[in-house]
This record gives sequence, structure tokens and C-alpha cells, in this order.
Amino acid sequence: AQRVTQPEKLLSVFKGAPVELKCNYSYSGSPELFWYVQYSRQRLQLLLRHISRESIKGFTADLNKGETSFHLKKPFAQEEDSAMYYCALGSSGSARQLTFGSGTQLTVLP
Amino acid sequence: EADIYQTPRYLVIGTGKKITLECSQTMGHDKMYWYQQDPGMELHLIHYSYGVNSTEKGDLSSESTVSRIRTEHFPLTLESARPSHTSQYLCASSEFSGYYGYTFGSGTRLTVV
Repeated sequence: AQRVTQPEKLLSVFKGAPVELKCNYSYSGSPELFWYVQYSRQRLQLLLRHISRESIKGFTADLNKGETSFHLKKPFAQEEDSAMYYCALGSSGSARQLTFGSGTQLTVLP
Repeated sequence: EADIYQTPRYLVIGTGKKITLECSQTMGHDKMYWYQQDPGMELHLIHYSYGVNSTEKGDLSSESTVSRIRTEHFPLTLESARPSHTSQYLCASSEFSGYYGYTFGSGTRLTVV
């Protein structure tokens, strides 16, 4: 069975400080990992995908298969980064269902 | 504009009523999904569909039912609402490979009194 763990429900950092949101997964196959973000009063939206190795809004995430982790990082947090962040694991095969973690509420303090 | 739409946005209804939550997408996506989410908690998959006339139950057992008669439409129905059904319901869709992840609707926040 696949599982996603986000150990921190709440995370607060000061503006300009580095931020790391942790995500660990459990999956026997080849994982497809995503980070989704939900800003206040907005819908859940895709932030980035591990397979594209992109940087979006200054955020990056590296898949570490040895540690089964996909932590989200940003070197200098901004107040507009305050949001709920969900890590998601996609199953392989035709189903391609996403399993979500419980989310981390990030607050960037001025 | 290609998007995914959910109606209503909020719904307060009495116990025992039949309700249908609407979800439509104009992106031509084959796959559609319903997730249930309680405040501050993770999203749980309750139904999904690979295409027309295809529906499957998700990981979380739900008393709701779904139908997929048209590609763009994936409504969720509760025959007899109960207070335990109070939750947020999120609809999502993806192109067949799922390579680009999901596009989510704005959600329906259901309260059963």
C-alpha cells in the first residue's frame, strides 16, 4: 500500500529564512511525486512535479529514493508563500491515483 | 476557458435529503476523481472514473454514488444525507496518463444538519 507522511502539521518561519517542508513516502514501485499548494480561499493547485525537476516560485524538491523522501525547499521564504502544502504520490499503471499526505500549514512571519 | 467547475460551493441541508454535487470539466480529460477532505486533514479518494461508463470506488468507503454518462460530467449523489457526511468534497480531473497531475475544482463544502 502506498502512503505519504508529512510530519509537520504547522510550520512557521520568518520572511527571508530558508524553509523545508518534509515529505516521506512508502511505495513499492517507481514513485511519481507532486507538491500541491492551497492559498487562502483558493483551490488546490499543482506546485511542482518531481519528474520535471523544475523550480516554481523559488521552490524545489528532490526525490531521494534511498530515504524515500521528497522534501520541498525554498532558500528565502516570502510572506506570500503562506499556504497549505500537500505532498502527493502517484501510483504507476493506468490508475494513476494520487495519495495525499495530511498537509503542512506554512506561515511566513514578517 | 478550460477548467473544472463544482456546484454548489456551499450546501447546508437537512438529514435524510437526497443531494447531488455537480462536477464538470471542459478540458477533455478522461479521468475524474472525487476526494473527501475534513478540515486540516488529508484528502481521501472516494470515487474515480477512467472514462464514460467507468466508475470505481476509492480507498475511503463512502455511501455516495457517482455516474459518468458524459466525459465532462461526474456528479456525486447522496441518497439520504446524514450529519456524518458533513465534509468538503473535491472534484479533480487528469489527462489519461496522469503525467501532469490533477486539476482540482473549488470544492463543495457540505453541512448536514
